[in-house]
Amino acid sequence: DGGITQSPKYLFRKEGQNVTLSCEQNLNHDAMYWYRQDPGQGLRLIYYSQIVNDFQKGDIAEGYSVSREKKESFPLTVTSAQKNPTAFYLCASSAGTGAYEQYFGPGTRLTVT
Amino acid sequence: GDSVTQMEGPVTLSEEAFLTINCTYTATGYPSLFWYVQYPGEGLQLLLKATKADDKGSNKGFEATYRKETTSFHLEKGSVQVSDSAVYFCALSDRDMGRRALTFGSGTRLQVQP
Repeated sequence: DGGITQSPKYLFRKEGQNVTLSCEQNLNHDAMYWYRQDPGQGLRLIYYSQIVNDFQKGDIAEGYSVSREKKESFPLTVTSAQKNPTAFYLCASSAGTGAYEQYFGPGTRLTVT
Repeated sequence: GDSVTQMEGPVTLSEEAFLTINCTYTATGYPSLFWYVQYPGEGLQLLLKATKADDKGSNKGFEATYRKETTSFHLEKGSVQVSDSAVYFCALSDRDMGRRALTFGSGTRLQVQP
């Protein structure tokens, strides 16, 4: 089955540690995205990538980094510089043509204490 | 910039009631519009979409019509079920902006009681 996988489902880290969230897709989509969701709020864009080896900052990129070395993979690193890292992180992808609908992974809930 | 405004929740309905969740938008170009649904602890699932004015998106009994004159995309369902309980997000993708990411509303929680 085609889809987007994110791992792990739950992640716990101590303050001051960097942590990397995995996102893999087998939909052959060109574009991939990372969003952050806080309780009772909508999704905010962290980073996006429209093609391999290229990515752009979204609205809340500070304290995060990404890479796009393969079409299928778009890992997100939450660095110690991110002031409020505890959140639900969602990865998405899209074909990049047509109506630009995005398909989402199941999410990773990160808790930093 | 682009923005999406949704009615605040929670919306609480009895089973078989009629549902409307309001959504209005502001965009500089000609957006595509989407409704996504999120069940507890899960990612978002695309519910329906519309790509141009007067288009009606529909899926699983849900409908929404792209109204350019009122910049709205209200979600409706004639008879809700307990299994429809979830958070619903309205979103737009403004093709003219180039980056092709989605702008989301804050979500509306729907609770359907048996």
